[in-house]
Amino acid sequence: RKEVEQDPGPFNVPEGATVAFNCTYSNSASQSFFWYRQDCRKEPKLLMSVYSSGNEDGRFTAQLNRASQYISLLIRDSKLSDSATYLCVVNPSYGGGGADGLTFGKGTHLIIQP
Amino acid sequence: GAVVSQHPSWVICKSGTSVKIECRSLDFQATTMFWYRQFPKQSLMLMATSNEGSKATYEQGVEKDKFLINHASLTLSTLTVTSAHPEDSSFYICSARILDRGFLGTDTQYFGPGTRLTVL
Repeated sequence: RKEVEQDPGPFNVPEGATVAFNCTYSNSASQSFFWYRQDCRKEPKLLMSVYSSGNEDGRFTAQLNRASQYISLLIRDSKLSDSATYLCVVNPSYGGGGADGLTFGKGTHLIIQP
Repeated sequence: GAVVSQHPSWVICKSGTSVKIECRSLDFQATTMFWYRQFPKQSLMLMATSNEGSKATYEQGVEKDKFLINHASLTLSTLTVTSAHPEDSSFYICSARILDRGFLGTDTQYFGPGTRLTVL
């Protein structure tokens, strides 16, 4: 089983719509969770961290379900500029030394259509 | 804040040459930096963890003698791809870690813009 799994899409969504996608992770001991956005041929940029209580940043809402080991991202009132690949990212440990690199999903490709 | 630069942005070289990539944290100090690699249509894969003042920790399957990492200061880590071959062509991205043990307890990585390596 892959460590972080996402539906690769693409999701074609009309502008203004609400879209959500999930991600599942296999390591139940994982501590930190993030959504990154990656545009074509660019580096990933942090979109938001995902907290246990859920968090919202403008049009974006992230949820974490530890029991089921999944993370979700909801985008409301989608804009053309939201078109990108959204990466689900898990940090297996927090604050530890040594190898604490992030584990990335393959990403979900979102296309917002006018 | 939290800006990470990476140089060069892209490089094309002949097979057998060595290529050095620099990763700098511009406005903060990073005791830990990470090196990732991304092949087309694949996810980022962690190659190694670079700790300031100590040896890098490599992921399984990554040759430490081929991918030399030096983290000489709190703001600079370098990755040298030695004797590069066409199969090393990839998008190499570094990240620098900010670990906040305070109230929020955040552990966040900020990425450099990446280096696209093409080996002919």
